[in-house]
Amino acid sequence: GAVVSQHPSWVICKSGTSVKIECRSLDFQATTMFWYRQFPKQSLMLMATSNEGSKATYEQGVEKDKFLINHASLTLSTLTVTSAHPEDSSFYICSARDPRRGANVLTFGAGSRLTVL
Amino acid sequence: KQEVTQIPAALSVPEGENLVLNCSFTDSAIYNLQWFRQDPGKGLTSLLLIQSSQREQTSGRLNASLDKSSGRSTLYIAASQPGDSATYLCAVRPMGTSYDKVIFGPGTSLSVIP
Repeated sequence: GAVVSQHPSWVICKSGTSVKIECRSLDFQATTMFWYRQFPKQSLMLMATSNEGSKATYEQGVEKDKFLINHASLTLSTLTVTSAHPEDSSFYICSARDPRRGANVLTFGAGSRLTVL
Repeated sequence: KQEVTQIPAALSVPEGENLVLNCSFTDSAIYNLQWFRQDPGKGLTSLLLIQSSQREQTSGRLNASLDKSSGRSTLYIAASQPGDSATYLCAVRPMGTSYDKVIFGPGTSLSVIP
């Protein structure tokens, strides 16, 4: 079945540094991937849609210069949190659509927990 | 604007009980509704996907129903087990969007007591 892998699964960094999170589709090609963030005890909120070979589309209120998204290949999208601050600490999850399974099914990664000190 | 709510926010039941989780959405124009399970600190596991034309889906002890006209879905868990303890999220894919956007509810935290 479709598998989406995220790396790292958790990361701790100092305030002001940048952190990159990878989202890979392991056994299928994904022209579109989605990035979500989840604050403690809250639901997932869509941050942006990552499109292979083009610019990402950000949801309202999400700073594109803060959360850089690169979808350089059909199996990899990266989210870089630039100049991270403690308020960026969150759980980040990506998802991708496996075209073999139809337009309605999204496969989610296991998530990456970011803690900014 | 589509909004998704879930009731109850938390639920604690003894092992063996049957239980129902509720999900409501404000706009019936959806492609599908999906139920997920999330274990603490982990990602999402898809449980059941109901297309807008369907009324229900079943997988093992799980049964999900969809009443699109009233904007409701229920997830029925039969003979609950401690291993069912997790947060259950429902999510809808709205029509009229150009992306595969999914809008999540806040989740129901389930604890099954041995």
